[in-house]
Amino acid sequence: EDQVTQSPEALRLQEGESSSLNCSYTVSGLRGLFWYRQDPGKGPEFLFTLYSAGEEKEKERLKATLTKKESFLHITAPKPEDSATYLCAVQADTGRRALTFGSGTRLQVQP
Amino acid sequence: NAGVTQTPKFQVLKTGQSMTLQCAQDMNHNSMYWYRQDPGMGLRLIYYSASEGTTDKGEVPNGYNVSRLNKREFSLRLESAAPSQTSVYFCASSADSLRELFFGEGSRLTVL
Repeated sequence: EDQVTQSPEALRLQEGESSSLNCSYTVSGLRGLFWYRQDPGKGPEFLFTLYSAGEEKEKERLKATLTKKESFLHITAPKPEDSATYLCAVQADTGRRALTFGSGTRLQVQP
Repeated sequence: NAGVTQTPKFQVLKTGQSMTLQCAQDMNHNSMYWYRQDPGMGLRLIYYSASEGTTDKGEVPNGYNVSRLNKREFSLRLESAAPSQTSVYFCASSADSLRELFFGEGSRLTVL
């Protein structure tokens, strides 16, 4: 059974204070790992897909990296508008192929 | 540029009542999904439709039925609502079953 564990559950940062969110996963064969951002009362919004260990992707202050067992979402010099819940999901390369999501990390960036 | 549209946004039901959540996408996507989101449990897949004319069970299908009406529309039906079905429901679509999902804004359902 595919499993995704995200840590920490919640993170409070000061504006400009860089940090990383962790996503550990167990999947029979990884086809892709996805990062989403979710604002309160909204649906998740796609950020990145990573396909193989060593791959990195960047978007503004966010950089996602992937190893064989986990992924990190690095947030550099965050701003208050980066406050959101960040969700990680994995897609297996066999069977159903629907995404399995973690429960998310709730990030709050204070001015 | 609507994307994925869900109706209704809010609904309160009594135990045993039935209702249908509607979802439509205007991106010409082949695959559509229904997820539920509960505090501390993340998004869990209820049903999905990899392409028009097909539907498959996800992780938590009990108590639900779905209909892929056409390529654009995918509805979720609760035949006899239970308090355990109180949740936020999200519809999503993707170009195909291997691509990223695009989500609607969610439907918040309370069953009393």
